[in-house]
Amino acid sequence: DVKVTQSSRYLVKRTGEKVFLECVQDMDHENMFWYRQDPGLGLRLIYFSYDVKMKEKGDIPEGYSVSREKKERFSLILESASTNQTSMYLCASSLGWSGNGELFFGEGSRLTVL
Amino acid sequence: GQSLEQPSEVTAVEGAIVQINCTYQTSGFYGLSWYQQHDGGAPTFLSYNALDGLEETGRFSSFLSRSDSYGYLLLQELQMKDSASYFCAVMNRDDKIIFGKGTRLHILP
Repeated sequence: DVKVTQSSRYLVKRTGEKVFLECVQDMDHENMFWYRQDPGLGLRLIYFSYDVKMKEKGDIPEGYSVSREKKERFSLILESASTNQTSMYLCASSLGWSGNGELFFGEGSRLTVL
Repeated sequence: GQSLEQPSEVTAVEGAIVQINCTYQTSGFYGLSWYQQHDGGAPTFLSYNALDGLEETGRFSSFLSRSDSYGYLLLQELQMKDSASYFCAVMNRDDKIIFGKGTRLHILP
């Protein structure tokens, strides 16, 4: 069965801390994505990656970076967390053009920055 | 830039039919998808349209008009369990997938 696993369901961090959100998929998908979801704003794309070591900015990359050293793992990094980064973070993967574009989501990581 | 517009809320009666519209502006359009998300859950894929026309999957259908940059999700025989948020999403030729802000569907008994 298809699976996208996010390392932490809930995190509480302090302003200025470095935060790592990890995501692993077991479907050999080429593409991986990081979104944040806030009430009334839908899902906003932070970064995506279409191959190992490749990354593309989404609509709101400021304050974030990503790492994709292995095909199955895509990490989101908040270099210096701020309170406006309190949100639900969703990781997803897809086959891209070779599939129907279906995104498979993880369960989400709810981050609170104090 | 890119944008997707969909209504923020829709209310319908159990057993009825409801249509959720989505208009989009994007460059390099490849296809339109729909996702369902229940409170506290992750979005789940419902349908995908790359070509004009209607795609039917059980009680749910999705329509796309590329010339009008418009699509809709049609839900028939509404059930209480269909109460959820529904998102349209555009996939571009660069594999980027952008979501609308979502439509909250309320179903009345």
